[in-house]
Amino acid sequence: EVQLVESGGGLVQPGGSLRLSCAASGFTFSSYEMNWVRQAPGKGLEWVSYISSSGSTIYYADSVKGRFTISRDNAKNSLYLQMNSLRAEDTAVYYCARGIVVVPYYFDYWGQGTLVTVSS
Amino acid sequence: DIQMTQSPSSVSASVGDRVTITCQASQGISSWLAWYQQKPGKAPKLLIYAASSLQSGVPSRFSGSGSGTDFTLTISSLQPEDFATYYCQQANSFPFTFGPGTKVDIK
Repeated sequence: EVQLVESGGGLVQPGGSLRLSCAASGFTFSSYEMNWVRQAPGKGLEWVSYISSSGSTIYYADSVKGRFTISRDNAKNSLYLQMNSLRAEDTAVYYCARGIVVVPYYFDYWGQGTLVTVSS
Repeated sequence: DIQMTQSPSSVSASVGDRVTITCQASQGISSWLAWYQQKPGKAPKLLIYAASSLQSGVPSRFSGSGSGTDFTLTISSLQPEDFATYYCQQANSFPFTFGPGTKVDIK
């Protein structure tokens, strides 16, 4: 069974940092491209970042570029999101999402999400 | 960036109704479109990809159509478990963008 489990969310002050993790199981993690997608409370979905299966290709939304860093450790079946210089508008549930094999820009499995709250 | 719009923003319907949701892209995206269903407190679920391909395990009452800039998600006969919010997503180019969502609730 495919499982994605996020962790690392919590309350952080503006300007602070947080590192999210996503533990993958039930599939060959190293073969799949991965993404982070977030959802502010009561709002819609916002794609945040993409990383290729090898980690060699990375993209970010403009809203997080220069502040967030996506990475992965295929040996540990894990995806990460390092978030620096956090702002109130980064408050959201953060989901890791797997790209489908056929076209990895669609997301077939999602984690349960981890809540990040940026507030003083 | 490609902007995605959806209409209506909400729809009230009854079990058994046919429901149609539309999604429009600000520029042509060929068939690079997905539809997701999200229930409160849960992660989104992929329903349709490549505009009209049904994701494995998704009931056949869901269907998608369209290409270019205009797309449609149709639920042929609404079931109680279909009351949720539906989002479209373009996969044509980075940054991927989602529509604002359409909430389907009980009439």
